[in-house]
Parts: sequence; structure tokens; C-alpha cells
Amino acid sequence: DGGITQSPKYLFRKEGQNVTLSCEQNLNHDAMYWYRQDPGQGLRLIYYSQIVNDFQKGDIAEGYSVSREKKESFPLTVTSAQKNPTAFYLCASSRGQMGAEAFFGQGTRLTVV
Amino acid sequence: AQSVTQLDSQVPVFEEAPVELRCNYSSSVSVYLFWYVQYPNQGLQLLLKYLSGSTLVESINGFEAEFNKSQTSFHLRKPSVHISDTAEYFCAVSATGTASKLTFGTGTRLQVTL
Repeated sequence: DGGITQSPKYLFRKEGQNVTLSCEQNLNHDAMYWYRQDPGQGLRLIYYSQIVNDFQKGDIAEGYSVSREKKESFPLTVTSAQKNPTAFYLCASSRGQMGAEAFFGQGTRLTVV
Repeated sequence: AQSVTQLDSQVPVFEEAPVELRCNYSSSVSVYLFWYVQYPNQGLQLLLKYLSGSTLVESINGFEAEFNKSQTSFHLRKPSVHISDTAEYFCAVSATGTASKLTFGTGTRLQVTL
């Protein structure tokens, strides 16, 4: 089945540690996205990539980093510089064309203690 | 830049009653419009979208939305809701002429009860 796989589903980390969230897609999509979801705030764009080896900052990129070395993979690293990292993180992909819908993974819930 | 406003954070409704979830947007350019649904602890699924053509778009499970350019709105409606429609609904926009980077509203929680 084609789709987007995020792992792990739940992740716990101590404050001050970097953590990497995995996102893999087998839809052959060019574009991939990372969103952060907090209660009452909707989804906010962290980073996006429209092509391999290229990515752009979204609205809330501070404290996060990404890489896009392969078309299928778009990992997100939450660094110790992110002041409030506890959240639900959603990865998405699309064909990247105008009006193309985004397909979402099941999300990773990160809790920093 | 685009922005999306969903004024109702929660909408309680009885089963088999009609419902409308409101969505207004702001943009200096033409936009594409989307409604997504999210069930607890899951990702988002596309419900319906407006790209061009007929301003009334329908989903396979009975929802419909109407694009109103003059009022910059894209309200979601269903004439008779079911318990299984309980979920969070997000309105989103992307600007035409750009790759599909979505801007989301804050979401509306639809709670259907017996």
C-alpha cells in the first residue's frame, strides 16, 4: 500500500537532547512537509521540501532542522534550541503541483520531560 | 500571504441534525481551498477540495462545501450527521501559482451525540 510512514508513534526525550523524527513515503511525491500541531492552534508549517537536496523554512523553523537526501525520506530533528518541543508532529507529501492535495502520516507525539 | 479563520472551535450537534462548519480566508491572490478531517491521534485525511469550476463541491460521505469568492468563505455542511462524523475538521488554503504549501485554520471540533 502506498502511503506515508512516521515513526515512532510516541517518543519521550529528556530536556536538552536532540531527537529525530522519521518520515518515509512511497507515493513518489516530489514535495514533503513537516507540520506541528498544538491544541487550539491548528497546524503550523515547520519546513518543506519541493525537491531532493533542497528545503525551505516554514513559519516556525527555529529550533528544528531537516534533510532531504532521498526523495522518499524527510527526517526532522528537534534540537535542544527548540523552547517548547512537546507537540504532535505531522509529516505530509504531495505531488508538489499547484492545487495538489497533501497526504499525511499518522503523526508522532513527542513529549519532552 | 494567506490566512484562514475557523471561528468555531467546537460545534456540538445531535445525530441526524444538520451542521455547518465555518471557514473564512484572506489572501491577496487566488487560492485553492481544502477541508481535511482528523480522527483522534491520527493524521489528516482530505475531505474535499475546490480548485476551479463549480463552486459547490461534494465528498463521498455526504459533506459539501461552497466557495463564495465575494465573502471569502468555504463553509462545510452536512444535512444529517452521524456519530462517526465526530472528529476535528480543518480548513486550508494554498495560493494559486505556487507549489501546494497549505495554510491551515485552527480547526473545529465536531461532537455528535445521540
